[in-house]
Amino acid sequence: SQTIHQWPATLVQPVGSPLSLECTVEGTSNPNLYWYRQAAGRGLQLLFYSVGIGQISSEVPQNLSASRPQDRQFILSSKKLLLSDSGFYLCAWSVGRYGYTFGSGTRLTVV
Amino acid sequence: GENVEQHPSTLSVQEGDSAVIKCTYSDSASNYFPWYKQELGKRPQLIIDIRSNVGEKKDQRIAVTLNKTAKHFSLHITETQPEDSAVYFCAASEFVGYFGSGTKLNVKP
Repeated sequence: SQTIHQWPATLVQPVGSPLSLECTVEGTSNPNLYWYRQAAGRGLQLLFYSVGIGQISSEVPQNLSASRPQDRQFILSSKKLLLSDSGFYLCAWSVGRYGYTFGSGTRLTVV
Repeated sequence: GENVEQHPSTLSVQEGDSAVIKCTYSDSASNYFPWYKQELGKRPQLIIDIRSNVGEKKDQRIAVTLNKTAKHFSLHITETQPEDSAVYFCAASEFVGYFGSGTKLNVKP
């Protein structure tokens, strides 16, 4: 069966520090991969999606970036975090365009 | 991208009553409409979805209706129970899922 792993679960980072969040999927090949962010008490904002290795589409231009170095690995990065980057970051996968399955999320607090 | 609006933002019902959450979308190319339930501090979980070739889908106490002409779809929960209390999100997708802002449902025992 397919599983999605996301880590770390929680993270507290100072303003201006770098960020790297990792997501991996098991049990499937060539998944579509997504990064969403959820601010406190808010909806899910699509940040990036990828349909294949090295293929990244950005929905929200900001100081975040994403990479897909392997078929089942998706990484969210920042060179310098802002206070406004705080939130709950969720990785998700789908086969084709149906049935997004979310990872357990990373709660990021920028201080 | 797609713009999905969801109403109401909060909904309080008595146990046993029905709850209805409504969403509208802007992109007529969207053809997949999932609904997710998110409990506090947890990941969103898919509860039901509908594709554009059908107008209604039901799974036990949960049903979803879709009106493609009007570009709106709704989630219906009947005989609500306290464990239905959570935040519910709708989404519309042609290729990538765009989510509504969520509805916090509180079912009072």
